[in-house]
Amino acid sequence: AQTVTQSQPEMSVQEAETVTLSCTYDTSESDYYLFWYKQPPSRQMILVIRQEAYKQQNATENRFSVNFQKAAKSFSLKISDSQLGDAAMYFCAYRSGGAQKLVFGQGTRLTINP
Amino acid sequence: DTGVSQDPRHKITKRGQNVTFRCDPISEHNRLYWYRQTLGQGPEFLTYFQNEAQLEKSRLLSDRFSAERPKGSFSTLEIQRTEQGDSAMYLCASSLDLEESSPLHFGNGTRLTVT
Repeated sequence: AQTVTQSQPEMSVQEAETVTLSCTYDTSESDYYLFWYKQPPSRQMILVIRQEAYKQQNATENRFSVNFQKAAKSFSLKISDSQLGDAAMYFCAYRSGGAQKLVFGQGTRLTINP
Repeated sequence: DTGVSQDPRHKITKRGQNVTFRCDPISEHNRLYWYRQTLGQGPEFLTYFQNEAQLEKSRLLSDRFSAERPKGSFSTLEIQRTEQGDSAMYLCASSLDLEESSPLHFGNGTRLTVT
């Protein structure tokens, strides 16, 4: 079974600085997708960024980018120019190609210090 | 697009009672998912519908749990004979099967407390 591990329960960063959240996963499959979701306090979970495993280029969405290391099974999220609105729980998630179930990590709580 | 709507937002029930939650997905989305999230953990998959067909169920979904999506629109999740261990946030999500990596759109969840 696939597993997703987020080793940092909490992280904090100064506003305008850069922070990197770690995620590793375990799979024997070659076709899969990886996602980072953000869950602000008392608000709904939203997609931050996604990466197809077959793509070598790292995904980027404005201030958010990933470092996808397929051989190492690592999928870290970098947030540049951190803003107060980035404060949230961040979940890394895995989905097998052709399947619908998302497997989530335990989450990392990100605090932004003004 | 009003987003995924879940009702109720909070439910407190006594152990042994039955509860039912409702989820209204984004109107054009044909896929609907239920997840459970306990405090400090990531969501865990419960079940998935494609239109009205329930295509996958997790082993977490015991015989006390049943989900339906009768007309391929809204869905209900019923828990019979609730136990304290059922206390959690129940999240509904929907998606459109246009592409493999279609993102899930989540609702705000229903928080269940079993006393």
